[in-house]
Amino acid sequence: AAGVIQSPRHLIKEKRETATLKCYPIPRHDTVYWYQQGPGQDPQFLISFYEKMQSDKGSIPDRFSAQQFSDYHSELNMSSLELGDSALYFCASSLRERLPDTQYFGPGTRLTVL
Amino acid sequence: DQQVKQNSPSLSVQEGRISILNCDYTNSMFDYFLWYKKYPAEGPTFLISISSIKDKNEDGRFTVFLNKSAKHLSLHIVPSQPGDSAVYFCAARFANAGNMLTFGGGTRLMVKP
Repeated sequence: AAGVIQSPRHLIKEKRETATLKCYPIPRHDTVYWYQQGPGQDPQFLISFYEKMQSDKGSIPDRFSAQQFSDYHSELNMSSLELGDSALYFCASSLRERLPDTQYFGPGTRLTVL
Repeated sequence: DQQVKQNSPSLSVQEGRISILNCDYTNSMFDYFLWYKKYPAEGPTFLISISSIKDKNEDGRFTVFLNKSAKHLSLHIVPSQPGDSAVYFCAARFANAGNMLTFGGGTRLMVKP
C-alpha cells in the first residue's frame, strides 16, 4: 500500500538559510499534518491542512509557513533557520471524512542546521 | 505541562511474555487515543486506537485498554516478539478542537529472545 512520502529525507543547512520540506499524502487522503520532533522529545504538532485550507495551528514559529496544494501535497517553508530548528519533521495524512481520522506518518525529514 | 505522559522510558520483556505499556493523560476532553510504534530513522507506524466511548479494543496481538475515570490507557502485546522492539508512543486527540495529536514521551520496548 502507498504510504506518505517526504522529501528530502535529510537536509543540512546553515544558520539563517531557508529550507523547504515536501510531503505527499497517501492517495485520496485530504488532510495533512506537520509535526516536529526534537532530539529526545516527543513529536509536537505544528500545523495542519484540510482541503487546501489551514485547519489547525500548533507551535509553529512565525518564521515557518506551509501550504497544501491542489494535488493535496504540502510544503513546509522554513526561513531564517536557527540551530534549534534541527529536528525530525514528520508529515502525516488522513481522510477527514472518516472521523475520528487516523493519521499515517511519513518517514520524516531530518533537518540539521549548522 | 505535558498532557499525555508515559512514565516508563523503557521496558524489557522476554519473548513470548506479555508487554504492558502505560499512558496517563490529564485532559478529560481527549476523545480518541492512538498507539504508534517507531523504529529508528522511520516515521511512527499506527498500531491501534480506541475511542473514549469504549474501554477495550483488540487487534491480533495488540489490545488497548482505556480507564477514563483514572485517565489511563495501556497497550498489551501478547505474545511479545523480538520484532516488537521499538519506541511506542501514546497519542491523544481533543474533541471538537481539531485533529492534532498530543504525544506522550514514548517508551522503548526491548523484547529479548
